[in-house]
Amino acid sequence: QVQLQESGPGLVKPSQTLSLTCTVSGGSISSGSYYWSWIRQPAGKGLEWIGRMSTSGSTNYNPSLKSRITISVDTSKNQFSLKLSSVTAADTAVYYCARAIEGGGYCSGSSCFYYYYYMDVWGKGTTVTVSS
Amino acid sequence: QSVLTQPPSASGTPGQRVTISCSGSSSNIGTNYVYWYQQLPGTAPKLLIYRNNQRPSGVPDRFSGSKSGTSASLAISGLRSEDEADYYCAAWDDSLRGYYVFGTGTKVTVL
Repeated sequence: QVQLQESGPGLVKPSQTLSLTCTVSGGSISSGSYYWSWIRQPAGKGLEWIGRMSTSGSTNYNPSLKSRITISVDTSKNQFSLKLSSVTAADTAVYYCARAIEGGGYCSGSSCFYYYYYMDVWGKGTTVTVSS
Repeated sequence: QSVLTQPPSASGTPGQRVTISCSGSSSNIGTNYVYWYQQLPGTAPKLLIYRNNQRPSGVPDRFSGSKSGTSASLAISGLRSEDEADYYCAAWDDSLRGYYVFGTGTKVTVL
C-alpha cells in the first residue's frame, strides 16, 4: 500500500524559499499513470491546490501561485518536491502531498471519455509557518 | 480564491439525510467530473466520491454523489456521529491551461 510522507523545515523566513519533500513508500513513483501533487490548507480555512507533476515531466500549477512554484520529481529517490519562492505570512499552512490518478479526456471512434483527475492517496501533512 | 461554492455548514440528527451542494461553472463542473473529499478533525482529506458518483472501496453506500449541469451535490443518508467532518467538492477547471479547484468546504455537524 502506497504511503506518502512530507518533510521539510517547519519555519521559513519571509521572502525566502519554502522547500518540502514528499517520500513515496510501498510503491515506485514511476509506476502507473499518476500525477504527484501538492495541496495546502491555512489554519481554519479550506483546501488550495498548488500544482502537480508527472514522472514524464508534465506540470500544471495553480494560476495564483504559478510564478513562485517549482515542483520536481526524483525517481531515483522515490521522492517529489515543492519549492515556493518569496514567501509571506499568507503562505503559512499545512502542506499535503498526494498521489493523483489521471486519465481520459479523449475520443475514440464514436466514444468520448471525460477527463478525470483526483487524489487517492494523501500524506499526513506538515505545518509550515512563515515568520521572522 | 475557491471557484466552487458550498454552504459553510450543514447539520442533522443521527439517522437523518443531509445534502451538501456545490456550485461551479461551465469550465469546471459543467465540463468535468466532480469529486468529494472528507476531512475528519485533525486529519488529512480522504477521497469520498470520484467521477461524480463512484465510491472508493471502503466508503459506505450511505454516501452518494450526483451532478447536474454546473452543480453537484453530496448526500449522506443515515447520518452517524462519525460523519461529523468537513466536506469539500473539487473538479478540474479547463481555464488558464487547466488546474484543480476545491470548493469552499462544508462543516457537517451531527446534533
